[in-house]
Amino acid sequence: QVQLVQSGAEVKKPGASVKVSCKASGYTFTSYSISWVRQAPGQGLEWMGWISAYTGKTNYAQMLQGRVTMTTDTSTSTAYMELRSLRSDDTAVYYCARDWGATAARGVFDYWGQGTLVTVSS
Amino acid sequence: EIVLTQSPGTLSLSPGERATLSCRASQSVSSSYLAWYQQKPGQAPRLLIYGASSRATGIPDRFSGSGSGTDFTLTISRLGPEDFAVYYCQQYGNSMGTFGQGTKVEIK
Repeated sequence: QVQLVQSGAEVKKPGASVKVSCKASGYTFTSYSISWVRQAPGQGLEWMGWISAYTGKTNYAQMLQGRVTMTTDTSTSTAYMELRSLRSDDTAVYYCARDWGATAARGVFDYWGQGTLVTVSS
Repeated sequence: EIVLTQSPGTLSLSPGERATLSCRASQSVSSSYLAWYQQKPGQAPRLLIYGASSRATGIPDRFSGSGSGTDFTLTISRLGPEDFAVYYCQQYGNSMGTFGQGTKVEIK
């Protein structure tokens, strides 16, 4: 069965970086892509960006440009999201989700990871 | 950036009633790239509808989606006790994705 398993919760200080992993299983990793979505406490969902597991091409949300990097390791079927220069308003649950598009984003997220809580606090 | 506005913010209904949720886009959205998700507290979102009107695998037929252009609707024909949750519409276009702010369906 398809599974996306994310790394554990993180606590970071303002200005630091965090890297969240998302290990995929149960399907051919390079036949789909991965999007990242975050949710601040008590708030709605925010799309962060997308990466093709086949080509490595990325699209990032404008508000995160320059602070976020998404990568994949096809040898381990793992996607990564690194966010730099953390601020308190980056405190959120971060989700990875499988996107139907392989080489272009399809915007359909059919499987989701369990979420990773990132807390930014001094 | 395409902004999605969902209404109402909260819908108070009784089990068995019909729920109609609206999602309006700030500019035209391709129906192929419009989806709906359900989220319950402490859980990841679940895909309900894609392509504006196609049900995802395993989704009961009481859920239906419709609409085109800038106006889209999610309808739950008869609310079951498990349907009380927050619902989000989402679109992908111009290399960017956006979500609506959500509609909470609560028990009246």
